[in-house]
Amino acid sequence: GAVVSQHPSRVICKSGTSVKIECRSLDFQATTMFWYRQFPKQSLMLMATSNEGSKATYEQGVEKDKFLINHASLTLSTLTVTSAHPEDSSFYICSAPVRENTIYFGEGSWLTVV
Amino acid sequence: AQSVTQPDIHITVSEGASLELRCNYSYGATPYLFWYVQSPGQGLQLLLKYFSGDTLVQGIKGFEAEFKRSQSSFNLRKPSVHWSDAAEYFCAVARSSGNTPLVFGKGTRLSVIA
Repeated sequence: GAVVSQHPSRVICKSGTSVKIECRSLDFQATTMFWYRQFPKQSLMLMATSNEGSKATYEQGVEKDKFLINHASLTLSTLTVTSAHPEDSSFYICSAPVRENTIYFGEGSWLTVV
Repeated sequence: AQSVTQPDIHITVSEGASLELRCNYSYGATPYLFWYVQSPGQGLQLLLKYFSGDTLVQGIKGFEAEFKRSQSSFNLRKPSVHWSDAAEYFCAVARSSGNTPLVFGKGTRLSVIA
């Protein structure tokens, strides 16, 4: 079964609104989680590293004020896309190290902004 | 910085034929290498990974990959392709250890014809 659960799997929101995506570790604690984005027919690009109890580390070019990451507990990291626009429509996926040299990905979330 | 190159954007093979998807990486130290598959509208599934040891790695669904340090390659192979193998395949390298973010190649889309 899945060890990293992501919700929602698909979401449609109106332009200008905010949407939250959750990434949960099941049966293990994740002090670190990674958030990626995949534009249509593109590869996956790391957006940020989510750190439990501290600020997320964003990759160059990723707007931290637009993509808010909160890692409030050892089993939950959330990505909030604020004031979403159609160009934010993408596939967002999280991952977490489960144990040494093992990373599991969530199921991913398809965001469509209309 | 690490990088991954998948030279083939799209490959078409006949069902039952053999398959080889190419992947070249750039990394100064011992690489942690992965192959993932993504079916349309789906998340990522890990096919196999290499950290050390035997350079021929067996994965799920009949896939295997061979690590060749001299060629900086980690090509994915399957002796007989099934129609259900049609998907997008991503090669990835971990930044340092197996618990760090992955750098993905641009992907190779596999089409299978009868």
